[in-house]
Amino acid sequence: GQQLNQSPQSMFIQEGEDVSMNCTSSSIFNTWLWYKQEPGEGPVLLIALYKAGELTSNGRLTAQFGITRKDSFLNISASIPSDVGIYFCAGPQGGSEKLVFGKGTKLTVNP
Amino acid sequence: GAVVSQHPSWVICKSGTSVKIECRSLDFQATTMFWYRQFPKKSLMLMATSNEGSKATYEQGVEKDKFLINHASLTLSTLTVTSAHPEDSSFYICSARVLLLAGGADTQYFGPGTRLTVL
Repeated sequence: GQQLNQSPQSMFIQEGEDVSMNCTSSSIFNTWLWYKQEPGEGPVLLIALYKAGELTSNGRLTAQFGITRKDSFLNISASIPSDVGIYFCAGPQGGSEKLVFGKGTKLTVNP
Repeated sequence: GAVVSQHPSWVICKSGTSVKIECRSLDFQATTMFWYRQFPKKSLMLMATSNEGSKATYEQGVEKDKFLINHASLTLSTLTVTSAHPEDSSFYICSARVLLLAGGADTQYFGPGTRLTVL
């Protein structure tokens, strides 16, 4: 089945720094979703991308749907301590309503 | 965005008992809901797809008699862990599918999760 390769696995940054993480796949995706999960909570949808080349922002977060449809990235600008959490990319498996998830990027922000 | 609630947020039960977890879409109707299980420091593992008015579709390796799913209305799906054992202890998360555009562009919104501990 389709798989999403998410990197990096973890990041340790200083408050104020910018962050970039990405997801790649060997298969084409028609939708890319980015979620953030904090300990003991369910994933929260950050950004949804539906068109190749689409660049969408949500506050300090920006995500892009790659032109090839096989990748997406998420950027966080001027990180703050509350950005801490695990960020997952996800997309529907080809022709299916089921989501396949990346393994997550664990972000730690040092004040 | 769409809001999905889960109840209870945590539950502790004795081995051999059954536990029911509810998943509700609060401000929209969801014909499809999903149930996931998440182990510590791992990604979400899909257990089953719950469709309103029909039987759930289980992923390979998930025991349908162990994890009973009922999607009785467009806003409520329930997961019942029957005869729970310590190995069933986990974080269970539901999600609801929202169809945004005709033609299939959609997304999923997740509930806050239920922490199950079986003693």
